[in-house]
Amino acid sequence: AQTVTQSQPEMSVQEAETVTLSCTYDTSESDYYLFWYKQPPSRQMILVIRQEAYKQQNATENRFSVNFQKAAKSFSLKISDSQLGDAAMYFCAFQGTGGFKTIFGAGTRLFVKA
Amino acid sequence: DAGVIQSPRHEVTEMGQEVTLRCKPISGHDYLFWYRQTMMRGLELLIYFNNNVPIDDSGMPEDRFSAKMPNASFSTLKIQPSEPRDSAVYFCASSLGGLVVEQFFGPGTRLTVL
Repeated sequence: AQTVTQSQPEMSVQEAETVTLSCTYDTSESDYYLFWYKQPPSRQMILVIRQEAYKQQNATENRFSVNFQKAAKSFSLKISDSQLGDAAMYFCAFQGTGGFKTIFGAGTRLFVKA
Repeated sequence: DAGVIQSPRHEVTEMGQEVTLRCKPISGHDYLFWYRQTMMRGLELLIYFNNNVPIDDSGMPEDRFSAKMPNASFSTLKIQPSEPRDSAVYFCASSLGGLVVEQFFGPGTRLTVL
């Protein structure tokens, strides 16, 4: 069975600085998809970025980028130039190609200090 | 589009009562998902539909839980009878076709069973 592990329950970053959130996963599949979702205090889950396992190039969305290490089964999220609005829970998620069963990690709560 | 709509936003009920949560997916989306979020278990997929047909309900915790999708614009998640351990935030999400696409989440329903 697939598992997703986020080992950092909480992280803190100074405004304008860079922070990296860690995620590891376990799967026997070779093709799959990885996501980072953001959940602000409003509870709304918002997709931040996604990565297809067959793509070697790391995904980037503006200030958000990932470091995808397939062999190590690692999928970290880097937030550059952190803003107060980045404060939220961040969930790493895995989806295999066999269906829509998305497995979510436990989440990392990010605090941004002004 | 207004996004995924869920009602009610908050529900407080007594143990043993029937609870019905409602969801209106984004117009045109053909996949609908129900998730439950708790501190202990994180975010869990309960069931998902494709074109109003339940595809995978393996995440439904027990027979007290049931979900229906009578048409493309409406789904319900019912708990009967409710128990205190059902207290959680329930999310509905929808997506448009394909295997790996963004799931758009609703704002969630916070359920408290006393």
